Amino acid sequence: EAGVAQSPRYKIIEKRQSVAFWCNPISGHATLYWYQQILGQGPKLLIQFQNNGVVDDSQLPKDRFSAERLKGVDSTLKIQPAKLEDSAVYLCASSSPTVKSQLFGPGTRLTVL
Amino acid sequence: DAKTTQPPSMDCAEGRAANLPCNHSTISGNEYVYWYRQIHSQGPQYIIHGLKNNETNEMASLIITEDRKSSTLILPHATLRDTAVYYCIVRPAFPNTGNQFYFGTGTSLTVIP
Repeated sequence: EAGVAQSPRYKIIEKRQSVAFWCNPISGHATLYWYQQILGQGPKLLIQFQNNGVVDDSQLPKDRFSAERLKGVDSTLKIQPAKLEDSAVYLCASSSPTVKSQLFGPGTRLTVL
Repeated sequence: DAKTTQPPSMDCAEGRAANLPCNHSTISGNEYVYWYRQIHSQGPQYIIHGLKNNETNEMASLIITEDRKSSTLILPHATLRDTAVYYCIVRPAFPNTGNQFYFGTGTSLTVIP
């Protein structure tokens, strides 16, 4: 079974620029999550989708972050404009009723200069 | 906010058992204890979870106290590849989608040759 795919793996941008991350969850997984992991901290949930609907986006900085999952499969997370404090690893995870827990992708490491 | 307390770091000799403690004194009756680990530069990896009975799988054993206020993850024969940050999380079992997955800062386990 293929795992959660994310791209790009690394991204370096200047502050105030825009950036987008892509996630393709495990086939058949209805629930998709985006996490932000700042160096030295545990992952923090940004947004959770159930199919193409948002379940929880309470931790998403909506003035600059947006996410969509239009067809209920893959998802994109966008930051516009980026700030220095957005430097982090962005993790995507997915789950379904038949799996025991969330399964994570490798993450995208963002550096904002 | 994380509902668990873990020591920030531990060492373990290669080949010996690694016992990682976790306190979760405010755990609710419907909440499970989940353990994940994160090897450097990778996404978190599911290890095991349990409600009140001890659990064992190919990766580890989970011992939960009778009052459910604490638990211990046991890696029976630690190898260098087990060096990682280990996260203890409490939440309702999947596919419940209503609660966040709080990772906290975890325990950094170093397996020493």
